[in-house]
Amino acid sequence: QVQLVQSRADVKKPGASVKVSCKASGYTFSNYAIQWVRQAPGQRLEWMGWINAGNGNTRYSQKFQGRVTITRDTTASTAYMELSSLRSEDTAVYYCARVYSGVPYYWGQGTLVTVSS
Amino acid sequence: DIQMTQSPSSLSASVGDRVTITCRASQGIRDDLAWYQQKPGKAPKRLIYAASNLESGVPSRFSGSGSGTEFTLTISSLQPEDFATYYCLQHNTYPLLTFGGGTKVEIK
Repeated sequence: QVQLVQSRADVKKPGASVKVSCKASGYTFSNYAIQWVRQAPGQRLEWMGWINAGNGNTRYSQKFQGRVTITRDTTASTAYMELSSLRSEDTAVYYCARVYSGVPYYWGQGTLVTVSS
Repeated sequence: DIQMTQSPSSLSASVGDRVTITCRASQGIRDDLAWYQQKPGKAPKRLIYAASNLESGVPSRFSGSGSGTEFTLTISSLQPEDFATYYCLQHNTYPLLTFGGGTKVEIK
C-alpha cells in the first residue's frame, strides 16, 4: 500500500532553515508527483509547491518563491521541502501528498515545525 | 491566481440534518475541483474528485455538484462522524493548487 512517512517534528529559531523529508513506499516513486501543503494552527490548508518526482521539475507558490526549495532523491524514494528565513508565522504542520487523478490523495502524517526564539 | 471562496466558514447542525457547503472560483475551472474532509490532528481525506465523483469507500450521503465557478458539497443526512472541517481544492491550474478557506461543521 502507498505510504508517505515524514520526518519528525522540529523546532527552529527565527532566521533558520528547516528541511522536511517525505519517504514514499508502495509504488514507483518516480511515476508520481509530490505536492507540499502546510497548515498553520487553526488556519486553512495552503499549497506550497510541487515536484515531478521523475524529472525533478518544480513549481512553487508565489508566496514562498525564493524561500522554499523542493527536491527529491529517487534512489531513496524521498522528497524534501526546505524552507529558509523562518519566522514565527511559519509555525505550521507541513504535509507531503502524492497525487492521484491530478490532486493530492495519499498524504504523509504531517510534520510540525515550530519557529520560536 | 485563482481564488476559492468557501462558505459558510462554520455551521452548526444536528445529526440527520442536510448540510450544503459552497465554493466559488474567481474564474472558470471547468470541473477541476475536489472536496476534502479533515479531522483534528489528521491529514485531509479526499471525498469527491472532478466536482461530482465520489471516492471509493466514501458514504453515498456525500455528493458534489457544479461546474465553472460554483460548486457545492452536500451531506444528505449528517452523521456523528461527519463533524469535521471541509475544504475545496481547485486544480485547474495544476500543478498550482488553491484551497478554499474551509468550513467547520460543528454539533448543534
